[in-house]
Amino acid sequence: DQQVKQNSPSLSVQEGRISILNCDYTNSMFDYFLWYKKYPAEGPTFLISISSIKDKNEDGRFTVFLNKSAKHLSLHIVPSQPGDSAVYFCAATGRSRGSARQLTFGSGTQLTVLP
Amino acid sequence: KAGVTQTPRYLIKTRGQQVTLSCSPISGHRSVSWYQQTPGQGLQFLFEYFSETQRNKGNFPGRFSGRQFSNSRSEMNVSTLELGDSALYLCASSSRGFGQGLGEQYFGPGTRLTVT
Repeated sequence: DQQVKQNSPSLSVQEGRISILNCDYTNSMFDYFLWYKKYPAEGPTFLISISSIKDKNEDGRFTVFLNKSAKHLSLHIVPSQPGDSAVYFCAATGRSRGSARQLTFGSGTQLTVLP
Repeated sequence: KAGVTQTPRYLIKTRGQQVTLSCSPISGHRSVSWYQQTPGQGLQFLFEYFSETQRNKGNFPGRFSGRQFSNSRSEMNVSTLELGDSALYLCASSSRGFGQGLGEQYFGPGTRLTVT
């Protein structure tokens, strides 16, 4: 059972427009969410994160929104640039009795920004 | 500061064989996590080591094992390889200590394992 779901395997956006990547989760114990970006032949790199005590976090062109009641988060990229073309992974973590935290990842969304 | 390095980068094995992958974390990082990435499945957590101790384990069969050395370098081993083990294996290191939460993880480029 996938606890973190990215239902869109791919997304194409025109350069300069907004890219919106979505992520849903099912585990109510998750309290910290992250987005990673991955280029081919490289490992994922951390992009932005948000704690469950917030509903928005912004870093330059990247903004993450969290809707806890809907168990949904989204990543907005404005304006989108061709260099943003990559696979974006949503990840979540939460406290678990007796275990250290671990990251649970979604299956990723391939973003293509068209020039 | 050098990043996370993984060796080898590519590997081809046959069914039934075993394989050992290596990961060198960022200097000073004591936590090393391993993930398996397959198409459509995203990254699935294998296990995490901190100060030579496995402190968390994902839902993988016992054929998957790992260890961490005193210099924080880590190895993972897969025995009796199956075709379904073909994947990109990623290692990530973190500076956060036990009980201090996850911390930001830094990933290596991965080892591409192909089982034929």
